[in-house]
Amino acid sequence: NAGVTQTPKFQVLKTGQSMTLQCAQDMNHEYMSWYRQDPGMGLRLIHYSVGAGITDQGEVPNGYNVSRSTTEDFPLRLLSAAPSQTSVYFCASSYSGLVIYGYTFGSGTRLTVV
Amino acid sequence: AQKVTQAQTEISVVEKEDVTLDCVYETRDTTYYLFWYKQPPSGELVFLIRRNSFDEQNEISGRYSWNFQKSTSSFNFTITASQVVDSAVYFCALSASLEYGNKLVFGAGTILRVKS
Repeated sequence: NAGVTQTPKFQVLKTGQSMTLQCAQDMNHEYMSWYRQDPGMGLRLIHYSVGAGITDQGEVPNGYNVSRSTTEDFPLRLLSAAPSQTSVYFCASSYSGLVIYGYTFGSGTRLTVV
Repeated sequence: AQKVTQAQTEISVVEKEDVTLDCVYETRDTTYYLFWYKQPPSGELVFLIRRNSFDEQNEISGRYSWNFQKSTSSFNFTITASQVVDSAVYFCALSASLEYGNKLVFGAGTILRVKS
């Protein structure tokens, strides 16, 4: 099925561990982004990419790395997990740099750091 | 900078009541887009509507309607004859300038509980 696929759906990490949240889309979308959702704060942009090989920071990038080696994949790396990174993470993609094309969101990854 | 305020943290209604979710936004851009998303208990984000700043016509889709007023910077969402299945978190979002690419700025969300 076409869309944005996020894996895993759930993850528990210990403080200091590292991991990668996977995001893949099969719609040939140029734009991809990562958001985190925290209670009472809505969703906030972590990192985004406007095309393969191009990434940039959003409003809450600290503690996260991204890369975009292909159009399809946009993984989010936590280098040393902290309890403050406990959140629900959403990946989103869009056809181009124009918001009129709308966004497609993945189903989310619920991450708990203990 | 852009900002979206959803002042209602949580709303509880009884089934068949009408309910309005408020959304107030801030932006200096003249071209921008407003969105509403629904997040049911299953957790996914469901797109409901997108409206650009040049189209102030209200829109109705079944039991859903949206009132966009640039004069008050508001984009309110009304559910008529609410149903239990409408229980969810609803987010209003704004996308304006090219800051952060296609950044969507989300409000904090409104939890809607519809009781039978």
